[in-house]
Amino acid sequence: SQQGEEDPQALSIQEGENATMNCSYKTSINNLQWYRQNSGRGLVHLILIRSNEREKHSGRLRVTLDTSKKSSSLLITASRAADTASYFCATAPGAHSGGGADGLTFGKGTHLIIQP
Amino acid sequence: DGGITQSPKYLFRKEGQNVTLSCEQNLNHDAMYWYRQDPGQGLRLIYYSQIVNDFQKGDIAEGYSVSREKKESFPLTVTSAQKNPTAFYLCASTKGWGHGYTFGSGTRLTVV
Repeated sequence: SQQGEEDPQALSIQEGENATMNCSYKTSINNLQWYRQNSGRGLVHLILIRSNEREKHSGRLRVTLDTSKKSSSLLITASRAADTASYFCATAPGAHSGGGADGLTFGKGTHLIIQP
Repeated sequence: DGGITQSPKYLFRKEGQNVTLSCEQNLNHDAMYWYRQDPGQGLRLIYYSQIVNDFQKGDIAEGYSVSREKKESFPLTVTSAQKNPTAFYLCASTKGWGHGYTFGSGTRLTVV
């Protein structure tokens, strides 16, 4: 079963604008990760946030995690045409369930299109 | 540079055939995974292995088999028992608990 669900399913913005994607999940987690996938390619790991963290930054990426609401958001600032891709959140279950070594659970992704 | 290599990039299978997808990594990672991706969908876990000579079924293991005889290699066989094998298959590995996954570039399997 899918643990994470991204929202929106698709997002189209102008180059230079900020893009925000959301992810909701159902059960307790050890960490939550965001990945990018360009069409027909493998996934690329972007950022990992642990359950005891609330916010994390990496370059133009900002991720927040609210464990009380079981939700996370990914913000891409100053978007570029090269950011056009699908973005997936993935959850690693809590420590008592293996902590992620048993495999991440992925959502269906948000397809982001950056218009030049 | 370290990474994961999947081959072939494209694979065509006739009805009733078994086919094997290759996945090799030189990252010295213990854990390896196979995922299936259907159009417009997320990834679903087929099999995973946390250590050599050991592997576990994921959410959709029926019709698939794996082996893990070497740390570097985790091949996936799609058997004739898999009724709808047309999909994009992704192999991944990780250093361990609390680390991100490194993915291969995928194999697109089509039944003809």
